[in-house]
Amino acid sequence: GAVVSQHPSWVICKSGTSVKIECRSLDFQATTMFWYRQFPKQSLMLMATSNEGSKATYEQGVEKDKFLINHASLTLSTLTVTSAHPEDSSFYICSARRSGRETQYFGPGTRLLVL
Amino acid sequence: GENVEQHPSTLSVQEGDSAVIKCTYSDSASNYFPWYKQELGKRPQLIIDIRSNVGEKKDQRIAVTLNKTAKHFSLHITETQPEDSAVYFCAALLYSGGGADGLTFGKGTHLIIQP
Repeated sequence: GAVVSQHPSWVICKSGTSVKIECRSLDFQATTMFWYRQFPKQSLMLMATSNEGSKATYEQGVEKDKFLINHASLTLSTLTVTSAHPEDSSFYICSARRSGRETQYFGPGTRLLVL
Repeated sequence: GENVEQHPSTLSVQEGDSAVIKCTYSDSASNYFPWYKQELGKRPQLIIDIRSNVGEKKDQRIAVTLNKTAKHFSLHITETQPEDSAVYFCAALLYSGGGADGLTFGKGTHLIIQP
């Protein structure tokens, strides 16, 4: 199989705090992981690409100092939303890909609500 | 960068009838085209994909066709069932074996199967 997990599944926080989201590939090694954001009734928008052992690549318009990404191992990538504001409230979904394969498998998503 | 257009945004069909969702892409170099099904509040699940060296692929009631010249690809679902009701996303990417090659998604099609 190709199972990807995310934690937490949902989080509510106060404005100005930081939130860390974990993405894990449970049964395969993922040299590349991706972070997407999905607003209600909208499509998935790629935020950044996370490569194990190197700096993340951010899409245009995504602030790298606000959305910190770390890919410390072949099975774990983390996204930290720093100084979260209400406009950061969204559904954050990661995906993972095996080395040499193009198919991406998605995690269950993390719903973030910033009050 | 890549741009993916998807139509229609909503599609309502009678149970047992066929459904067709169409997408166009802008980057002629794109070589991988997956389709995802997303139920409300859940992760996108890969239902079928096609690579640029193939014109058509079928898996039971689901088929995808690709026209590289016209830069469009379509999802066909036959003998629709109530459990097919969901939002369907097409996507495209240029897979190069590594690097920042995340998926570009279409805006999604809400498929409604009428009993």
